[in-house]
Amino acid sequence: SAVISQKPSRDICQRGTSLTIQCQVDSQVTMMFWYRQQPGQSLTLIATANQGSEATYESGFVIDKFPISRPNLTFSTLTVSNMSPEDSSIYLCSVGASGSLEQFFGPGTRLTVL
Amino acid sequence: GENVEQHPSTLSVQEGDSAVIKCTYSDSASNYFPWYKQELGKGPQLIIDIRSNVGEKKDQRIAVTLNKTAKHFSLHITETQPEDSAVYFCAAILNDYKLSFGAGTTVTVRA
Repeated sequence: SAVISQKPSRDICQRGTSLTIQCQVDSQVTMMFWYRQQPGQSLTLIATANQGSEATYESGFVIDKFPISRPNLTFSTLTVSNMSPEDSSIYLCSVGASGSLEQFFGPGTRLTVL
Repeated sequence: GENVEQHPSTLSVQEGDSAVIKCTYSDSASNYFPWYKQELGKGPQLIIDIRSNVGEKKDQRIAVTLNKTAKHFSLHITETQPEDSAVYFCAAILNDYKLSFGAGTTVTVRA
């Protein structure tokens, strides 16, 4: 499986600021997704990161709050904008290959908003 | 969309005993059912999966069974070891590659 890294691994931020999280894969992948895992909870899909076009957001998530970029097949960023304490979560990227249903997750970014 | 329910939410077993986690799904069109293990401070790790055209799959001490008629699938861990202690998530995919997760089961293996 692909090796997936995320930066930063964790951060503590002040409310009202923004944080950009990076996801890097060591090989080209077709599918990239961003998930949120609130404290003690399950994973919720935020959006599908589409290479060269706008991301596809799930219900309850909007581009203004979670802008996503995917400039190529190995890299994506998720920005958490105008943060509030409710945004404190683990943010995870996952990747999958075309024709395969398997998805693999990065190590996550642990965000605390004060 | 798909709705996945997972039980139990916590499970404590004696080392060497078996652990079973059960999930149900709502959409009969779901065709792929992975299981993930998440250790503290780490991302979820895919440990086993099953496709809708298969009833059972085994990999060493872990196995997954699927009942399409009843729309439920289960994870079985035999001969549990302390390193099996983690949170386990079931998930399901429709045809759009989007994972819908269960709520998770915290498994504790007592030495």
